[in-house]
Amino acid sequence: GESVGLHLPTLSVQEGDNSIINCAYSNSASDYFIWYKQESGKGPQFIIDIRSNMDKRQGQRVTVLLNKTVKHLSLQIAATQPGDSAVYFCAEMFSGGYNKLIFGAGTRLAVHP
Amino acid sequence: EAGVTQSPTHLIKTRGQQVTLRCSPISGHTSVYWYQQALGLGLQFLLWYDEGEERNRGNFPPRFSGRQFPNYSSELNVNALELEDSALYLCASSLGPGAPYEQYFGPGTRLTVT
Repeated sequence: GESVGLHLPTLSVQEGDNSIINCAYSNSASDYFIWYKQESGKGPQFIIDIRSNMDKRQGQRVTVLLNKTVKHLSLQIAATQPGDSAVYFCAEMFSGGYNKLIFGAGTRLAVHP
Repeated sequence: EAGVTQSPTHLIKTRGQQVTLRCSPISGHTSVYWYQQALGLGLQFLLWYDEGEERNRGNFPPRFSGRQFPNYSSELNVNALELEDSALYLCASSLGPGAPYEQYFGPGTRLTVT
């Protein structure tokens, strides 16, 4: 079925290190991709997005990379902090597909002091 | 600016009952989306409403339905509840179908079916 998959269900990093969360998407027609962060007991929080006409986009401490050739998406978090501990979801959308976001199963990021 | 709000926060129902969940979008947003987040299954798209109309529907049975009101708030109704309907139901809003695609989520309603 439709899916956006993740390579690593759990990622443990040391505080201050850089984190890389990977995601494989399924629909080659998808033209919009988002990363969300979900903390325990809260709804997903928008982090950063990227459109298919780009291969890199930077935000504050975060960078998203898109490789359409292999249908791969990654989220890089610089200088990871304890507050970054959460579950991270990637999601894809085909803009002609009625605004439907397809989410992956999520990767848990655990930041250790 | 207030974010997406949902009510109630938690709900416990028994199998066979009906439930209504409510969502208020961010001011100025006309599109409302509903997602189900069941344990271990990630977020599954349920419904999309814009300008009072249902625009898209996920792979859920007809007992999942909803509506959007003139003030853009929305309700999700689930009839004949089943145990597997236990999940976190998330509402999101965005500016509209042709606008930037960012969807902003509310805190969710935790539904437990016993």
